[in-house]
Amino acid sequence: GQNIDQPTEMTATEGAIVQINCTYQTSGFNGLFWYQQHAGEAPTFLSYNVLDGLEEKGRFSSFLSRSKGYSYLLLKELQMKDSASYLCAVKSSLSNSGYALNFGKGTSLLVTP
Amino acid sequence: DTGVSQNPRHKITKRGQNVTFRCDPISEHNRLYWYRQTLGQGPEFLTYFQNEAQLEKSRLLSDRFSAERPKGSFSTLEIQRTEQGDSAMYLCASSSVDGQPQHFGDGTRLSIL
Repeated sequence: GQNIDQPTEMTATEGAIVQINCTYQTSGFNGLFWYQQHAGEAPTFLSYNVLDGLEEKGRFSSFLSRSKGYSYLLLKELQMKDSASYLCAVKSSLSNSGYALNFGKGTSLLVTP
Repeated sequence: DTGVSQNPRHKITKRGQNVTFRCDPISEHNRLYWYRQTLGQGPEFLTYFQNEAQLEKSRLLSDRFSAERPKGSFSTLEIQRTEQGDSAMYLCASSSVDGQPQHFGDGTRLSIL
């Protein structure tokens, strides 16, 4: 089974840096995704980590430690539009090829002026 | 790339009625996934297609739920004899090959009266 934990809510100030943590316990780890979801909209892909270390993409970076079952998403130079839910999802192989994403409950980030 | 399209966006129905949702994936994607999301939760995996073959179904998918992808392109998800607990956002996602991120549609929000 899967157990994915992330904080429920976070608040940060425009222009600041925020780190959203995700811990997981899983059998058959195959990678970890971060998605952003604005209210009433589709989750949109942000980053993918399969090996340990940091992946940087513009203002967003994601880190993975497989031995610790830990990941974080780092958002720099926060903008008001970054207010959204951030979903941590662990990829697990399905028995008949393909894979399912097992999502955490999401972290609701509020960016304030 | 026109993205994943789902319709209807909203569906309101009485308990006990049947409903059907449609998903049109990104055209070159052969993998298609259905998820369900309730308020304050992350998406939960329901079922997976590779081309027209339904290769995996979650235990969440009761006998009242059926999904098809007859020609390996669009997919439908039908819920028979709807219940209050079926109220949720139903999300469709598609991907090309294993390891590539899943791209989500905006979902169909189902409300059971």
